[in-house]
Amino acid sequence: QVQLVQSGAEIKEPGASVKISCKASGYSFTRNWIHWVRQAPGQGLEWVAVINPSNGDKRYAQKLQGRVTVTTDTSTSTVHLEVRSLRSEDTAIYYCARDESIIVVTKTTWFFYVWGRGTLVTVSS
Amino acid sequence: SSELTQDPAVSVALGQTVTITCQGDSLRTCYAAWYQQSPGQAPVLVFFGHNNRASGIPDRFSGSSSGDTASLTITGAQAEDEADYYCHCRASSGNQWVFGGGTKLTVL
Repeated sequence: QVQLVQSGAEIKEPGASVKISCKASGYSFTRNWIHWVRQAPGQGLEWVAVINPSNGDKRYAQKLQGRVTVTTDTSTSTVHLEVRSLRSEDTAIYYCARDESIIVVTKTTWFFYVWGRGTLVTVSS
Repeated sequence: SSELTQDPAVSVALGQTVTITCQGDSLRTCYAAWYQQSPGQAPVLVFFGHNNRASGIPDRFSGSSSGDTASLTITGAQAEDEADYYCHCRASSGNQWVFGGGTKLTVL
């Protein structure tokens, strides 16, 4: 079945970097964009970034632009997210999710049917 | 604006009907997707597109949209529907995706 398996929890000090991963299986890896979404403790969902595994095209949340990089390794069907210059407010569960979309008349819907289980990143001194 | 606005909290009596709304300019060109999230769990897709209920979701969940507003309706709310609900769309700029702030549903 389609699965996104994420790497384990990380604890980092402020100012450090973290790189987490999301390994896809059960489908053709280059067929769907992969998104990263994060959720700080007690807060809502926040979109972080997206990458197209077929050509490396990527987009980032304006708030995080310059501190995050998303990459893909098609040989292992894995997407990586690196966050640099970590701050306490980066403490969150980071989810990866598979993008799907459908067009109905003049409108499109983008949706995430498959999610990873999340990776907890804790930033603390 | 690329933001999506939701009421922070809504309550419903057991067995009654409740509607959760999401408002934003992006919804004029994008059908919202709706997710349910229970504590400690990853979000689960509930409804998407014009009229698509996700696999395994009870038919008491339905969605609609008009103009810049999308709605998720639960007809005959059950105790297990108590959760946080998020709407989601691609921003009209095309370069960002956005989530609503979430609505905490309490079933009384």
